[in-house]
Amino acid sequence: SQTIHQWPATLVQPVGSPLSLECTVEGTSNPNLYWYRQAAGRGLQLLFYSVGIGQISSEVPQNLSASRPQDRQFILSSKKLLLSDSGFYLCAWNTGGELFFGEGSRLTVL
Amino acid sequence: GIQVEQSPPDLILQEGANSTLRCNFSDSVNNLQWFHQNPWGQLINLFYIPSGTKQNGRLSATTVATERYSLLYISSSQTTDSGVYFCAVENDYKLSFGAGTTVTVRA
Repeated sequence: SQTIHQWPATLVQPVGSPLSLECTVEGTSNPNLYWYRQAAGRGLQLLFYSVGIGQISSEVPQNLSASRPQDRQFILSSKKLLLSDSGFYLCAWNTGGELFFGEGSRLTVL
Repeated sequence: GIQVEQSPPDLILQEGANSTLRCNFSDSVNNLQWFHQNPWGQLINLFYIPSGTKQNGRLSATTVATERYSLLYISSSQTTDSGVYFCAVENDYKLSFGAGTTVTVRA
């Protein structure tokens, strides 16, 4: 069966520090991969999506970037975090149909 | 992009009550999903329902794609139904979410 793993689950980072969130999917090949962000008490905002290795589409201009170095690996990065980057980050995958989410990574920037 | 509107934004129910959540969307979509976000933030898939009606226990959903809306029914609500319910629609690979309906079920 397919599973999705996301880590770290929680992190507290100072302003200006780098960020790396990682997501891997098991049990499927060539999935579409997504990064969403949810601010406290708000809905989900699509940040990036990828339909294949090295193919990244950005939905919202920001100081975040995404990479897909392998078929089932999706990484969210930042060189210098801002206070406004705090939130709940969710990785998701599908193969054209139903979307499935990871457990999420809760980021607090101080 | 596609606009997704959910109503009501908040709903308070007494345990055992029934309720209907609504999702309107602004354009044709390839699929529609309903999710429940639990207090720990996990998003649970409820229904994948681009059209028609589906039922799963006390929950059911109906999507009328031609009229661009979907309904989620909760019957005999329980305290474990509390949380935020999201509707999401897909167009061109991307799933766009509504702002959610926060449901509180009181014992």
